[in-house]
Amino acid sequence: SYELSQPPSVSVSPGQTASITCSGNKLGNKYVCWYQQKPGQSPVLVIYQDNKRPSGIPERFSGSNSGNTATLTISGTQAMDEADYYCQAWDSSTVVFGGGTKLTVL
Amino acid sequence: EVQLLESGGGLVQPGGSLRLSCAASGFTFSNYAMTWVRQAPGKGLEWVSSISGSDDSTYYADSVKGRFTISRDNSKNTLYLQMNSLRAEDTAVYYCAKSGSPRPYSFDYWGQGTLVTVSS
Repeated sequence: SYELSQPPSVSVSPGQTASITCSGNKLGNKYVCWYQQKPGQSPVLVIYQDNKRPSGIPERFSGSNSGNTATLTISGTQAMDEADYYCQAWDSSTVVFGGGTKLTVL
Repeated sequence: EVQLLESGGGLVQPGGSLRLSCAASGFTFSNYAMTWVRQAPGKGLEWVSSISGSDDSTYYADSVKGRFTISRDNSKNTLYLQMNSLRAEDTAVYYCAKSGSPRPYSFDYWGQGTLVTVSS
């Protein structure tokens, strides 16, 4: 079965750029999306189809996908961006989630 | 405004059954794929099952195949998940999620979740 790998944690200073990676075999051939989940809340879609932002998502969130790695980039990271982030793809009639990355803003 | 409201969670004994419901509003329900995603306490997101919005094709994670059944009633704008032969490892918050297309490629709206606890 297809697998997506994420680093368990990423730290960033306020105002700096955070990058969260998601790795999978030939992931660049699939569409990837990203979800943000804050404690006690439901997930929120922040990026879909590799690099598209839903309405209401700040421009500081961006995405890319090439080769075996997709990346979620948060520019000018704010304290409110501290959350868990999950990548997700569709493969062989199966939805696949990455294990999640805890973003700490300190 | 899109709203997804799950219900039906609770405490059930191992081997028991439970049916979850997700009442949808604010969009043309029949046009979109719908999905159940669960999250065990302190763990990550796990896909459970999806149903397409075009031909009602269904998809299941291996961990629930043969035990869970997803269905939808477009006349009632409601998504269901029938869960049988429940195990302790099925304990989780179950989220209902809407896709942005007839296929379950990504999920643009999520419900608040309903907790299922499988324990004796």
